Parts: sequence; structure tokens; C-alpha cells
Amino acid sequence: DTAVSQTPKYLVTQMGNDKSIKCEQNLGHDTMYWYKQDSKKFLKIMFSYNNKELIINETVPNRFSPKSPDKAHLNLHINSLELGDSAVYFCASSQVLGDTQYFGPGTRLTVL
Amino acid sequence: TQLLEQSPQFLSIQEGENLTVYCNSSSVFSSLQWYRQEPGEGPVLLVTVVTGGEVKKLKRLTFQFGDARKDSSLHITAAQPGDTGLYLCAAQSGAGSYQLTFGKGTKLSVIP
Repeated sequence: DTAVSQTPKYLVTQMGNDKSIKCEQNLGHDTMYWYKQDSKKFLKIMFSYNNKELIINETVPNRFSPKSPDKAHLNLHINSLELGDSAVYFCASSQVLGDTQYFGPGTRLTVL
Repeated sequence: TQLLEQSPQFLSIQEGENLTVYCNSSSVFSSLQWYRQEPGEGPVLLVTVVTGGEVKKLKRLTFQFGDARKDSSLHITAAQPGDTGLYLCAAQSGAGSYQLTFGKGTKLSVIP
């Protein structure tokens, strides 16, 4: 059973397009996260979503918008994609804020 | 923003050798975590250390949290090719902070 799953695994798109990445967790966790890992493997938090409360990281451009249809899903929508958005995006979840986080397999986004 | 410095950045060793990687900061943390990330996958939690001076063992891996809770080390005895991967430390600052700050990782290659 996959605890945290993401789709797609790979996403290649043109600059200026709008795309979404989906994340689902079957762990019954209350909190979900999105991280960005750049080409140098630096992993940085983008958003946390806890019980319908979105906690936004100030350094994330507003072209990025997370959407949570229910507690088990947290999708990431990106508008007007830029070259610098190319990275691996990881979804994670935890039982509650601050608890152990479980990561998904990542989505490799390439913007051409 | 707390900065976690990991060293070395890259490490290539022969099977059977011992190694130590380090995670240092000028900040005090309520807890510190070590993750291993394999290519194409998300980080997987290895251990969480909470108490200053704490030592935890996971088979051939020994984790230590510094007395002042500002640094940590991971020692691997008799490294095996299966230990190959990116080792990341991450920490929460405490005082109600849930956010994980990650180091940039140590990329370990164990050559058979």
C-alpha cells in the first residue's frame, strides 16, 4: 500500500503553461505539505495545510496555489510556469503539525 | 531562518569502511531528524533525536545529538552499497514551530 502518492511522476511542459500536481495520503493524517527540491538537492518547505488551514511560505510566488478538496488530498496548481520552477516537488503528510512526516515519491517538473 | 550545515557534501568510500557525516548549526533545536533519500524517491525518516547528548543506534548506523542540541552526527560502521544515498538532516526550532528546516545533504556512494 502506498502511504503518500503523487501524480504524475514526471511532468514536462512549456514555459507559460498552467499545470497541477496531485497528492493523496491514505494514512489518515491531518496535515499535508508541499516541498520543492532544487537541482542541488536542497529541500525547502512551500506550504503546510492543517485541518483546512493553509500556512503559506512567504517566499513562494503566488503563481503557486495549493488546493485541498479533503483531508486526504493536497494538490498543487502552478500558473504561468517559469524555467526556474523546474525541480522535484514532494508532498508529505504527518498525523499532526510537527509530527513525523512521510514523503511521497516526488514529481519531477521540467519547464522548457 | 535556522541554517543547517551538512558536511561533507559528497563522500565516496569503499565497502567495509566506516564514515561519519555531520550536521551543524548555530541555533538550538527541540529535535533533529535524519533522513535518507534514494534516487527517484522521497526522503525516508531514519531517526529523531530529542535530548541533548542522546545516542541512537539503528543496526550499523549510530546517531548522536550534541549536548547543546545544535549539532548532530551520523556514523556508519562497515558501509555497504545499500547505504548509498543522500543523507539529510532536518530540524524543528521548537517553541511551537512545526516547520522542518533541511540541510543540503551528504551524498554518500559506497563502492563494492
